[in-house]
Amino acid sequence: GQQVMQIPQYQHVQEGEDFTTYCNSSTTLSNIQWYKQRPGGHPVFLIQLVKSGEVKKQKRLTFQFGEAKKNSSLHITATQTTDVGTYFCAGRQTGANNLFFGTGTRLTVIP
Amino acid sequence: NAGVTQTPKFRILKIGQSMTLQCTQDMNHNYMYWYRQDPGMGLKLIYYSVGAGITDKGEVPNGYNVSRSTTEDFPLRLELAAPSQTSVYFCASSYGAPGQGNTGELFFGEGSRLTVL
Repeated sequence: GQQVMQIPQYQHVQEGEDFTTYCNSSTTLSNIQWYKQRPGGHPVFLIQLVKSGEVKKQKRLTFQFGEAKKNSSLHITATQTTDVGTYFCAGRQTGANNLFFGTGTRLTVIP
Repeated sequence: NAGVTQTPKFRILKIGQSMTLQCTQDMNHNYMYWYRQDPGMGLKLIYYSVGAGITDKGEVPNGYNVSRSTTEDFPLRLELAAPSQTSVYFCASSYGAPGQGNTGELFFGEGSRLTVL
């Protein structure tokens, strides 16, 4: 079955440092979505990538979809304490009606 | 709009008991999903539905049942609860299939924390 892995599992950074999480799928994806879950909260949608090699930016966040559509990354520039939480990627295989979530990267930002 | 509403928020069950987690959405979404999240882990898909009367298994369906008699409601039934079902359960919905145009964003409920002792 489809597997979506994320690395690293945990990341501690000083406030102001950059952060990157990587997502790798065992199968080619038709699209990938990213979600953020604050501690004790529920996942909240951030963005969706569809095209091979696509790059999208949201303020300090940069999302990239790999050329082979099997991997993706989220980069945060100059982290802030409000960035704390777990970041999940979620991929869909072509023709499927559901999403498979990655294992998540838990980000801690030290003030 | 209330979005996706789950009840109860917390529940403790004894081994062998049964219960139903309720999920309702008021966004007229076609797709609904049940995920479970174990401590420090990602989300595993239990069941999903693409419309009223249609349900399908996800990655971890054993020990659970669902029904979708209306567009709004997607209850999750646990039969013969086991300690392995201790988890946080999230219901989610989307208007279209994930990734389909601009309608594939998943909206999540606040979660139901279940402990089986």
